[in-house]
Amino acid sequence: GAGVSQSPSNKVTEKGKDVELRCDPISGHTALYWYRQSLGQGLEFLIYFQGNSAPDKSGLPSDRFSAERTGGSVSTLTIQRTQQEDSAVYLCASSLVERILVEQYFGPGTRLTVT
Amino acid sequence: AQTVTQSQPEMSVQEAETVTLSCTYDTSESDYYLFWYKQPPSRQMILVIRQEAYKQQNATENRFSVNFQKAAKSFSLKISDSQLGDAAMYFCAYRSAIYNTDKLIFGTGTRLQVFP
Repeated sequence: GAGVSQSPSNKVTEKGKDVELRCDPISGHTALYWYRQSLGQGLEFLIYFQGNSAPDKSGLPSDRFSAERTGGSVSTLTIQRTQQEDSAVYLCASSLVERILVEQYFGPGTRLTVT
Repeated sequence: AQTVTQSQPEMSVQEAETVTLSCTYDTSESDYYLFWYKQPPSRQMILVIRQEAYKQQNATENRFSVNFQKAAKSFSLKISDSQLGDAAMYFCAYRSAIYNTDKLIFGTGTRLQVFP
């Protein structure tokens, strides 16, 4: 596809369950970012990948959150033992080069609702 | 730590009129980048305009322009000749120029309504 894709578009889960959110970046983009957008808030940085490594994971809110990236492409954000405060839109972005001023292209996000 | 503040939760403008969205930021860094992103109901963030801090000239992209005041740490967005399609959430964002610190730091957004 031409843009960043994310799946699922919407996810409803029960408190305590684990969820996996997927991001397919633009082909060839080496940098990948995850952000969280809670209701009425701006986007909050979670983690940044360069290739398959994550030099900055400072935004992950707790050890229930983890992410991986394989083959320098697809990334999965996993939330274990979900809590109601995890309800938010999770946005993924990718860019071609991580340092030079290059635009981050965003996906449409996954809306997670924890009941 | 850097912070971005958008003090206008909502703004409205008449079609064809001009509107200005405010953004202030706090940083101790001298080199950085500033952005305005648009988020329509589809949730897809779209880059509207960007500004490099070392450039004194204000960035312009068609109907969109910024007023960058580095000393005041202010970065407002002006939308001229507003169109119905401009209705969206607008986010101001900051990015450090320090290597390996490439995350965007966002404000809380301003919801822009455009009336015909």
